[in-house]
Amino acid sequence: EAQVTQNPRYLITVTGKKLTVTCSQNMNHEYMSWYRQDPGLGLRQIYYSMNVEVTDKGDVPEGYKVSRKEKRNFPLILESPSPNQTSLYFCASSLGWTSSSYEQYFGPGTRLTVT
Amino acid sequence: GQNIDQPTEMTATEGAIVQINCTYQTSGFNGLFWYQQHAGEAPTFLSYNVLDGLEEKGRFSSFLSRSKGYSYLLLKELQMKDSASYLCAVRDETGANNLFFGTGTRLTVIP
Repeated sequence: EAQVTQNPRYLITVTGKKLTVTCSQNMNHEYMSWYRQDPGLGLRQIYYSMNVEVTDKGDVPEGYKVSRKEKRNFPLILESPSPNQTSLYFCASSLGWTSSSYEQYFGPGTRLTVT
Repeated sequence: GQNIDQPTEMTATEGAIVQINCTYQTSGFNGLFWYQQHAGEAPTFLSYNVLDGLEEKGRFSSFLSRSKGYSYLLLKELQMKDSASYLCAVRDETGANNLFFGTGTRLTVIP
């Protein structure tokens, strides 16, 4: 089944404790992206990647890191989480990034709480 | 900068038609997407418009006017399962597939 998977789905952690949220897709997609979703703010892009070893900042990259060592995986790293990073996180992927109708496929989400 | 506006909430009756509007002011434009998101779930793709006009797909249609910075999503023959949030997203023209989302419209379908 074609899908985007994220782990963990739920995480409660404490301020400053490094964590990684994994994202994997099995559709051979070139483009991958991370979003956070907060009430009243909608989905905001954190980082994106157009291909292996190519990553760039989105709208809200502060406090996050990413890597794209393999095409299928795009982990999100929080080196020192803070309470303002409590949010619902979505990973997404799409076939490409040109002007075609490359809809993004979203993972199931990771609900992160930082205390 | 990017500014995308949608109504926060709407209510409609089962079997009826509802139109969800989206207006945008963005520094660039390379297509507009509509996504559906049920509570606690991932957004799923509904439609894509890059040229002016109406795109129809079953019970759902989407319209775009680039000169007015305006789009709408039309849902016909509403069903209870259509209760969800509907997200309008504009793709910029940087060459990457980056989307800027509105805050979404929560639609409640009542019997």
